[in-house]
Amino acid sequence: KQEVTQIPAALSVPEGENLVLNCSFTDSAIYNLQWFRQDPGKGLTSLLLIQSSQREQTSGRLNASLDKSSGRSTLYIAASQPGDSATYLCAGRSNDYKLSFGAGTTVTVRA
Amino acid sequence: GAVVSQHPSRVICKSGTSVKIECRSLDFQATTMFWYRQFPKQSLMLMATSNEGSKATYEQGVEKDKFLINHASLTLSTLTVTSAHPEDSSFYICSASSHEQFFGPGTRLTVL
Repeated sequence: KQEVTQIPAALSVPEGENLVLNCSFTDSAIYNLQWFRQDPGKGLTSLLLIQSSQREQTSGRLNASLDKSSGRSTLYIAASQPGDSATYLCAGRSNDYKLSFGAGTTVTVRA
Repeated sequence: GAVVSQHPSRVICKSGTSVKIECRSLDFQATTMFWYRQFPKQSLMLMATSNEGSKATYEQGVEKDKFLINHASLTLSTLTVTSAHPEDSSFYICSASSHEQFFGPGTRLTVL
């Protein structure tokens, strides 16, 4: 069974600083890996999806990398803004198409 | 991206009652729908996977007689929490999938 871990559990940075969020997974036979944003009491917004054959994906200030051999993915958020404050979840999709989620990293960007 | 809705967004009920949560894919047909539960500061845990017209597949430890799932059409799935107890209080999120998986906004269930 895929186990997904996210470190740190919480992160607080001043506005403008770059954010680095880490995700590790146990099963390298991953179909794809996805990063989501979740605001308090809300559902999930998909940010980036990296297929198993890809090394990274970029969207605006967001960049996510995937290293299957080491079982790691990293989400970089450049020049953070207070509006980036949220919980960020990573999820690995197995070949049975099920998503396994990490517990998330709660980010606070201080103005 | 595609839109998935859930209704209600929030429900408070008395212990012992049953609660139904609806999940709809608004602009696409979902061959598969997933139901997740999320406790505070924890990750989403998959409860069950349902395909239209067939019985849901429940994850280990999830009681199928307590959490009734009906996937009657390609755009609607319902989760009924039967005889709810305070420990069932949680955030329930559905997800609908065609080629990609899209998530609903969640339903906050509080059982008194």
